[in-house]
Amino acid sequence: GAVVSQHPSRVICKSGTSVKIECRSLDFQATTMFWYRQFPKKSLMLMATSNEGSKATYEQGVEKDKFLINHASLTLSTLTVTSAHPEDSSFYICSARPSIGGGELFFGEGSRLTVL
Amino acid sequence: AQTVTQSQPEMSVQEAETVTLSCTYDTSESDYYLFWYKQPPSRQMILVIRQEAYKQQNATENRFSVNFQKAAKSFSLKISDSQLGDAAMYFCACRPSGNTPLVFGKGTRLSVIA
Repeated sequence: GAVVSQHPSRVICKSGTSVKIECRSLDFQATTMFWYRQFPKKSLMLMATSNEGSKATYEQGVEKDKFLINHASLTLSTLTVTSAHPEDSSFYICSARPSIGGGELFFGEGSRLTVL
Repeated sequence: AQTVTQSQPEMSVQEAETVTLSCTYDTSESDYYLFWYKQPPSRQMILVIRQEAYKQQNATENRFSVNFQKAAKSFSLKISDSQLGDAAMYFCACRPSGNTPLVFGKGTRLSVIA
């Protein structure tokens, strides 16, 4: 199946710093990618839809100035957590769907962010 | 908007036995997909099985099969001959056709007892 790579898998940062997470589709082009957040023992909550060449669409309650999304190419979307605080600590997962396929979304490996 | 409900937070099954995980959903879309994903401790999301809503035949993938009841908006997952490696969180998910995101249920944690 298609491969989505996410980097870094783990990151620890100090409060007030910014962290960038990359999501790459390795063998297909994705005009749209999705960013999810998952708290421990909870389900995946959609944060935003990343659209290549245009602004991301954020879900209600997600601060767009806190979670900056850039989808500069058909294979790369980035999520930047700005001025991170301990409450931003979480597991972030991206997903994407090939334009030709059976409707399945492919997921990155996820990124665990810990803010000290 | 879509909603997905998994009413079983935890389930357990004896090795080699069969277990069924429940899922109901609600959508106003006529064309949509349904999925079961597995999330082991590594947190990697792994597709278990998918079903196109327009297909009447229940999807089957080796030991995994679904009971898709479109009118009742029910999409249960049956795991036969359960193995220790099946232990994980299982998420039911739904999405309309097109470039749309998945909406997940809250998940069911499956334990397999040796």
